[in-house]
Amino acid sequence: QSVLTQPPSASGTPGQRVTISCSGSSSNIGSNYVYWYQQFPGTAPKLLIYRNNQRPSGVPDRFSGSKSGTSASLAISGLRSEDEADYYCAAWNGRHVVFGGGTKVTVL
Amino acid sequence: EVQLVQSGAEVKKPGESLNISCKASGYSFTTHWIGWVRQMPGKGLEWMGIIYPDDSDTRDSPSFRGHVTISVDKSISTAYLQWGSLKASDTAMYYCARHGIHLGELVTHWGQGTLVTVSS
Repeated sequence: QSVLTQPPSASGTPGQRVTISCSGSSSNIGSNYVYWYQQFPGTAPKLLIYRNNQRPSGVPDRFSGSKSGTSASLAISGLRSEDEADYYCAAWNGRHVVFGGGTKVTVL
Repeated sequence: EVQLVQSGAEVKKPGESLNISCKASGYSFTTHWIGWVRQMPGKGLEWMGIIYPDDSDTRDSPSFRGHVTISVDKSISTAYLQWGSLKASDTAMYYCARHGIHLGELVTHWGQGTLVTVSS
């Protein structure tokens, strides 16, 4: 059971907006940055969002992150077929890092 | 360009020792935290720990403490993950993961992964 809680799955049709939640506590999300990662089957994860809401160069602006209190969210607007992947949130938790359990996004 | 190149897949027996590596390039190795993330078959990501190459300061997850050792060789910009005695439950993909300069910054770059299979 992960310290950060994500829904196991989310889905949407092309063009829709999908939101993935990440729930934590004051020890992790409440007092530290949240990062988001995207992972396609059989490949290494890739950084999608850092410091709660910052996009690395090359990440489309369809991806956005937000944080409020002890929860964070990743939003994918204008959903595309190539967005079908697993998404993980992460944050520091005292002296170590914790990941969410991951959310599989399916494009219907 | 930051590159993390990991050693190849390993097949080991329970009780054997193992050392996998991650060769870093394209940035200042000694000033960025670097570590490892496990992904068991069909499961999510698990953070194992990190090390600061300049002084070998470490942070580790309670879940892995005492079972693995993270180390670096600054002279060749390489990080290592070591097991003294493997278990079947260590079968997983292991990713080398570079963090930022400051402790509060998480993984920004990933290696390609090293598959470790432990089976009798």
